[in-house]
Amino acid sequence: KAGVTQTPRYLIKTRGQQVTLSCSPISGHRSVSWYQQTPGQGLQFLFEYFSETQRNKGNFPGRFSGRQFSNSRSEMNVSTLELGDSALYLCASSLATPDRGNRFYGYTFGSGTRLTVV
Amino acid sequence: EDQVTQSPEALRLQEGESSSLNCSYTVSGLRGLFWYRQDPGKGPEFLFTLYSAGEEKEKERLKATLTKKESFLHITAPKPEDSATYLCAVRGTGFQKLVFGTGTRLLVSP
Repeated sequence: KAGVTQTPRYLIKTRGQQVTLSCSPISGHRSVSWYQQTPGQGLQFLFEYFSETQRNKGNFPGRFSGRQFSNSRSEMNVSTLELGDSALYLCASSLATPDRGNRFYGYTFGSGTRLTVV
Repeated sequence: EDQVTQSPEALRLQEGESSSLNCSYTVSGLRGLFWYRQDPGKGPEFLFTLYSAGEEKEKERLKATLTKKESFLHITAPKPEDSATYLCAVRGTGFQKLVFGTGTRLLVSP
């Protein structure tokens, strides 16, 4: 069973540019979340998608956006890149459904995209 | 607000020297507490999920336990390959995010 696939693995961009990162979840997983990981802040939640709808969004500026397609694949976009956007961006997929009192079965993470802004 | 605190920040052990990592949490309506292992440059790798106080899970040299306020990850007779950062995260009620602690960096020396 294939895991969560993120592309590309590494990116170097210049300040002011924009970038699009891609995530293919585990087959059958309909929920996809994105996290930013930096040495200083740890893992910070960006957004969560379920069935092409954004269900939750973290405290990031509007330059960070995402979407989910009908096949559950997801993309995130960062516009007008800043030096502080340099980070490991992690995608995670889950069987989770909108909470109706059921247990949450957790996420499987991809290997991440290492973004460096120069 | 949901919050997770992990201690210690870093831990150095000799091979075979058992120890425990702590994860203290506050969450409104626990839907799951998760332990992950992360190696440098890689994504977090799932270890355990715990749902209610008193629950325990084991896998090889690792054992996770849960109370109403904290979780412990016990490492018995660790080996150098257990060296990694161990992350704890919780999810509360509603369609919310995983809240992560900052992790414990474990180094096991031969």
